[in-house]
Amino acid sequence: EAGVTQSPTHLIKTRGQQATLRCSPISGHTSVYWYQQALGLGLQFLLWYDEGEERNRGNFPPRFSGRQFPNYSSELNVNALELEDSALYLCASSRRGTGYEKLFFGSGTQLSVL
Amino acid sequence: SQQGEEDPQALSIQEGENATMNCSYKTSINNLQWYRQNSGRGLVHLILIRSNEREKHSGRLRVTLDTSKKSSSLLITASRAADTASYFCATDGRYSTLTFGKGTMLLVSP
Repeated sequence: EAGVTQSPTHLIKTRGQQATLRCSPISGHTSVYWYQQALGLGLQFLLWYDEGEERNRGNFPPRFSGRQFPNYSSELNVNALELEDSALYLCASSRRGTGYEKLFFGSGTQLSVL
Repeated sequence: SQQGEEDPQALSIQEGENATMNCSYKTSINNLQWYRQNSGRGLVHLILIRSNEREKHSGRLRVTLDTSKKSSSLLITASRAADTASYFCATDGRYSTLTFGKGTMLLVSP
């Protein structure tokens, strides 16, 4: 069984640009979660998608957005990049309604904003 | 803000020793989980303990939960160099998903 896959592995952008990060969940999982892991700050919850709908979002500005496609894969878009957006972005998936029980994580996208 | 807070922030031990990490949280929970992260990669689920459980074992891992003190501990017995990683506790709470602490960095030296 393939795990959660994220692309790209690394992404380098400059301030003001836009970044698009992609995630494919484990087959059969309908929920996708995005987390930001900045140095020294632990994992911060960003967004939760299930069945194509945004179910909840963390305390992040609107320039962080995303979507979930009919095949349950997901995109995270970060507009107007700022230096402090540099972080490891982790995607996780779960079966519907089991996000409290266990998350399966991808290896992440390391975003560097110069 | 973080729901769970791990302690210590960093722990350095020798192979064969036991490693104990603690997690404190603020609000009521249904369950608490521990995850492991190797070198800034994805997290891997280790163990889940429910609020009505006090102790749980999985291989060399032992987790305890004290809901009256809102705290949990993760014990890794007979540590190996391969156990070197960051360990995070996670609780269900805000945002209808898991909230993670900042983690404990464990270094196990041969």
